[in-house]
Order: sequence, then structure tokens, then C-alpha cells
Amino acid sequence: DTEVTQTPKHLVMGMTNKKSLKCEQHMGHRAMYWYKQKAKKPPELMFVYSYEKLSINESVPSRFSPECPNSSLLNLHLHALQPEDSALYLCASSRAPAQGGEKLFFGSGTQLSVL
Amino acid sequence: DAKTTQPPSMDCAEGRAANLPCNHSTISGNEYVYWYRQIHSQGPQYIIHGLKNNETNEMASLIITEDRKSSTLILPHATLRDTAVYYCIVSGSGGGADGLTFGKGTHLIIQP
Repeated sequence: DTEVTQTPKHLVMGMTNKKSLKCEQHMGHRAMYWYKQKAKKPPELMFVYSYEKLSINESVPSRFSPECPNSSLLNLHLHALQPEDSALYLCASSRAPAQGGEKLFFGSGTQLSVL
Repeated sequence: DAKTTQPPSMDCAEGRAANLPCNHSTISGNEYVYWYRQIHSQGPQYIIHGLKNNETNEMASLIITEDRKSSTLILPHATLRDTAVYYCIVSGSGGGADGLTFGKGTHLIIQP
């Protein structure tokens, strides 16, 4: 199983809503990532979790709140988003943190629209 | 600040080899070169990576110059399904595990 599964695939939310994105992998990977991708732009790193602990936060606004309840699961909680937060949100995982030559496996993303 | 430079777009005829160049003149000794691609509206897909030596797998070949300042990704027999944005990424001692920083990439269009 070399799959990273993201749900939902599409999400429409209002600026006052609270929603969550979910990411799951069963490859035994101990590093997980959230990326944000605007249309026609490259993915941008948001957060990195290593062994279920947040290791990198790329100055992301607090309206995005990541959570890693266990080694297989990664959530991104959304609250009071702005229309400019509309984007494709990508989750990825890799075998181990802080190892050279690690490959990242990406999910197919959640397309988020904020109205 | 971009660590890699790639042409914004390239065309290649179906069945021919696609050669995608990447300049990474500021690469340091412990940094790997990674290639990923992203087909429209999908997540990026790992292709290949290398440190110093040339590498080959079932998808592609990676040729790294001796001074490591540039590399070329070779898709030996391009098909229409290879149309995608190809990202060349240089990543440090943490490898991909620190999170990869994507540049603008090359949009490769395979022509029938």
C-alpha cells in the first residue's frame, strides 16, 4: 500500500464555518506534511510533523490548525478562513524525518473553496 | 530564493526522448536533486532522485554533471500521459523529510 488518502476531495465552506481536512497513510511513515497550492502555482509547504510532533510551521496563520493524533493520521482544522485561502491542500508522507534522500508520497488533495 | 532554474515550458513529440534540464549552481555537497511531476489537478508524483551518481529507474534517468551544478531528467519514450509540470528540487541534509520546496517547474507538453 503506497497510498496517501485525503478526504474530502472537494470542500466548500463559508467564512464562519469550521471544517477539517483528513489525511491517512498506512505505509508506516513517521513524517507527514501539509502543502497549499494555488492555481497555476507550485505547492507551498505549510507544516511538517515528525514522529507525531510538529517540527516545522512555515508561518501559517492560526486559522489553520494541524493535528497529528497518531502516526497514520494527519488533520488540518480550518476556522474563519478567507476567500484567498481557496486552494488545493495536499498531504504527503515520508518514511523517516531527518534522513537524506527521502521520498515524499503525496495524496491527490482536497480542493477547498471559501465563499 | 530559488535554488533551481528550469525552462517554463517544453514540447516533445510522442515516442521521442524528453530531456528536461535543471540548473542548481549553488548546490552544496550534502544536497540531493529530486524530480517530481504533477499532472493537472493531482498530487505531485515522485520520479527519481540522486546525490552524485547518475540514476535510472522504471520511469526515468537522472544525469547529474560532475560538478553537480546541473542535471537532466530523461523520459526515454514520452507518451501523452507524460504531459505534466516537472519540478526539479534541491534538498538539504534533512533530505525530503524537511519538506521539499517547489520552484516553478517546467510544463512539458507531449505532442501527438
